[in-house]
Amino acid sequence: QKEVEQNSGPLSVPEGAIASLNCTYSDRGSQSFFWYRQYSGKSPELIMFIYSNGDKEDGRFTAQLNKASQYVSLLIRDSQPSDSATYLCAVKGSSASKIIFGSGTRLSIRP
Amino acid sequence: NAGVTQTPKFQVLKTGQSMTLQCAQDMNHNSMYWYRQDPGMGLRLIYYSASEGTTDKGEVPNGYNVSRLNKREFSLRLESAAPSQTSVYFCASSEDFRSPSYGYTFGSGTRLTVV
Repeated sequence: QKEVEQNSGPLSVPEGAIASLNCTYSDRGSQSFFWYRQYSGKSPELIMFIYSNGDKEDGRFTAQLNKASQYVSLLIRDSQPSDSATYLCAVKGSSASKIIFGSGTRLSIRP
Repeated sequence: NAGVTQTPKFQVLKTGQSMTLQCAQDMNHNSMYWYRQDPGMGLRLIYYSASEGTTDKGEVPNGYNVSRLNKREFSLRLESAAPSQTSVYFCASSEDFRSPSYGYTFGSGTRLTVV
């Protein structure tokens, strides 16, 4: 079992709809959870982090965390073509000193 | 406002050659990391330095060595390059790994091809 798992996609969503990206993790002691966006040929860019159960909103983005289910998600409201990218889920585990990344979900927003 | 700077951006090596990838950050971050990214594999940690003067192995350290030269600089060395080391290499830094909200700032990457 991978430490951080994501559906590789591609996930295709119509423009203006809600895109929902999911991630599960195996380390119950994990402390912090991150979502990175990576455009093709570019480096990852941090867009959200969350470390408490529940929802955290930032503009069109909402991160959701459920530690009991070991599940974290990212919702993108009013999806735009510029949101088309690969989204990487990352988890800071109980070892604390490093982050483990999932393999990413490729999101495509169709006009 | 450079952030994390990696050099070179592109490199082609022959099997058995050696090279050093350079990384420098100007954000006064304590921790630095080297990742490789391969299609379908996500980002895999090669080595990291939690603070100046310390280095530790990550998930895929074989074939690599690192040096934390000072607080700003963290280099990655391939002693004898192999085709399996063809990849995109990212350096990253973070303020303090003990903070729950810390995240990484990434460099722009080095695209390495070993023939």
